[in-house]
Amino acid sequence: DQQVKQNSPSLSVQEGRISILNCDYTNSMFDYFLWYKKYPAEGPTFLISISSIKDKNEDGRFTVFLNKSAKHLSLHIVPSQPGDSAVYFCAAFAQNRDDKIIFGKGTRLHILP
Amino acid sequence: ETGVTQSPTHLIKTRGQQVTLRCSSQSGHNTVSWYQQALGQGPQFIFQYYREEENGRGNFPPRFSGLQFPNYSSELNVNALELDDSALYLCASSGNRGLAGAGELFFGEGSRLTVL
Repeated sequence: DQQVKQNSPSLSVQEGRISILNCDYTNSMFDYFLWYKKYPAEGPTFLISISSIKDKNEDGRFTVFLNKSAKHLSLHIVPSQPGDSAVYFCAAFAQNRDDKIIFGKGTRLHILP
Repeated sequence: ETGVTQSPTHLIKTRGQQVTLRCSSQSGHNTVSWYQQALGQGPQFIFQYYREEENGRGNFPPRFSGLQFPNYSSELNVNALELDDSALYLCASSGNRGLAGAGELFFGEGSRLTVL
């Protein structure tokens, strides 16, 4: 049973445009959500997070939106740059209940020149 | 600041063998988690150690075991290897017991295990 779902295995976006990566979750106990980025032959690196008390968190070119009623979050990258080409993992956990972070399968983002 | 390091980076084993993977956590971090990432999948939580004790476990059989040492480095041991154990094994450290309010894990590059 996948609790965190990333339904798009890959996404191609023109350089300079907006990249939107989507993620859905099923466990209503999740109250903290994260995005990690992974380059080949490297471990994932933390990108941005959002608590369920917020619906938006922004950090430079990266913004995460959370829609609790739809159990959906998205990561927006504006403008997209060549270095953004990587695999992006959505992840979630329940604070003060379970320290287990659950990851989605990832979306491979290709930034086209 | 020293990052998370894992060894070996690659290894090949045969079915039924045992393997030990090692991880040195980031300086100042007292919590280590291990994840298994199979091909085309996201990282799956195996277990977590805080101050040398296991304090969380995912849906992995008992043949997956671990240790954390006083210096917070860690080992993952897998006995009776099966073909499906072939995966990238990621170690991650964090500075808090659990991840309340943070969720920021610092990952190593992983150990790629192939079971033949």
